Formats: sequence, structure tokens, C-alpha cells
Amino acid sequence: DTTVKQNPRYKLARVGKPVNLICSQTMNHDTMYWYQKKPNQAPKLLLFYYDKILNREADTFEKFQSSRPNNSFCSLYIGSAGLEYSAMYLCASSREGGRTEVFFGKGTRLTVV
Amino acid sequence: QQKVQQSPESLSVPEGGMASLNCTSSDRNFQYFWWYRQHSGEGPKALMSIFSDGDKKEGRFTAHLNKASLHVSLHIRDSQPSDSALYFCAASEHAEGADRLTFGKGTQLIIQP
Repeated sequence: DTTVKQNPRYKLARVGKPVNLICSQTMNHDTMYWYQKKPNQAPKLLLFYYDKILNREADTFEKFQSSRPNNSFCSLYIGSAGLEYSAMYLCASSREGGRTEVFFGKGTRLTVV
Repeated sequence: QQKVQQSPESLSVPEGGMASLNCTSSDRNFQYFWWYRQHSGEGPKALMSIFSDGDKKEGRFTAHLNKASLHVSLHIRDSQPSDSALYFCAASEHAEGADRLTFGKGTQLIIQP
């Protein structure tokens, strides 16, 4: 099974409220990622977990948090949603080794109103 | 400036024809490239990777890399309606246990029956 699962598929949030997105994979992959995709833009890497170590991209450092309670699960947390957070959020995973395929989930479409 | 640029933005090809997609990187640190395909309602799925100069063929799909010009292309022969999708070029960097992907904006391919 090469599936990355994301819940929910669609999420509506209010400005100023927190948002928590969930992702899981059963491939025992070492690394899990979160990407953000807005219309007519390229998917953008927000952060990744290698094992228990979190790495956040420099320009999104203060905007997103994440947790990985075990190998299979990873969450993306927005403390106070703004309109600019409306986007598709893609979770992905890969095994360690370099030049390995990154597997993506179907995404969660977040709309902030 | 976008580090990975794709062209054209959209492409319409008759069934059975050849589709050619292009990608150029502006960062010489990028030496390894992937082509991903995303059907509507699905997550991106890896088609093939390339890191050596020249051609790499997998079935109806051929990727070409020119390292000197950092130009990557994907050619699909005998195009089928099921090939209609959004195609992403992605440059891969391996560091800190992760394969970080920098995506282009994508090419929307439409195969006309």
C-alpha cells in the first residue's frame, strides 16, 4: 500500500481560529512533508519531519507548526488562520536514502473565511 | 524568481499524438529532476526521475536532461485520453534526511479524443 491519507479533504475555518490538519502513512517512511499549493502557483514546501526532527522552511517558520507523535502520523497546525492560508495542503512521505520517490496524499482544501 | 519554470502552461494534443513538455531550472545546485502527474481530485504521482545527461525512456514516456543548460523535457508518444492531467517538473535536493522538491507551476495537458 503506497497511500498517504489526509483528513479531512475539505475544511472551512474562520479568520483568527486555529486549524489542525492530519496525515498518515503506513509505508514506514522516515520522512513526512507538508506542501502548500495555491491556484496558479507551484506547490511549496512548508516543513518536513525526518524521524522526530522537524525542519521548517525559512519563510514559513513562524506561520506553521507540526507534530509527529509516531512514525505514521503527522499534523500541520495553524495557530490563527488568516485569509492568506486558504490553499490546498498536500502531505507527502518518503524513505531515507536520497533520490527516492516522494509519495503524496490527495490533499486537504482549506478555505478561511 | 521561480527556480523551476515550466512551459507551456497548457497544451492540447490529439489522441495518438506526441506531447512535449519543457522545464528549465535557474539553480545549478539542482541536479536531479522528477516529473509528477496529477489527475483531478488526486495527489501528484511520480512518473519518472532523471539525473544523467541524455534520454531516459519508460514505456510511452521519455525524459531528456541537458545538465549544461539545466533543461528537462518530457515527451509522451501515442497520447491517450488518460494522459490528460497537470504535469509538474520538480527539482530534488537531498539533505537532512529529506528529498526536498522545488516544483514548477505545471503544464495542463489535454488529450483530445
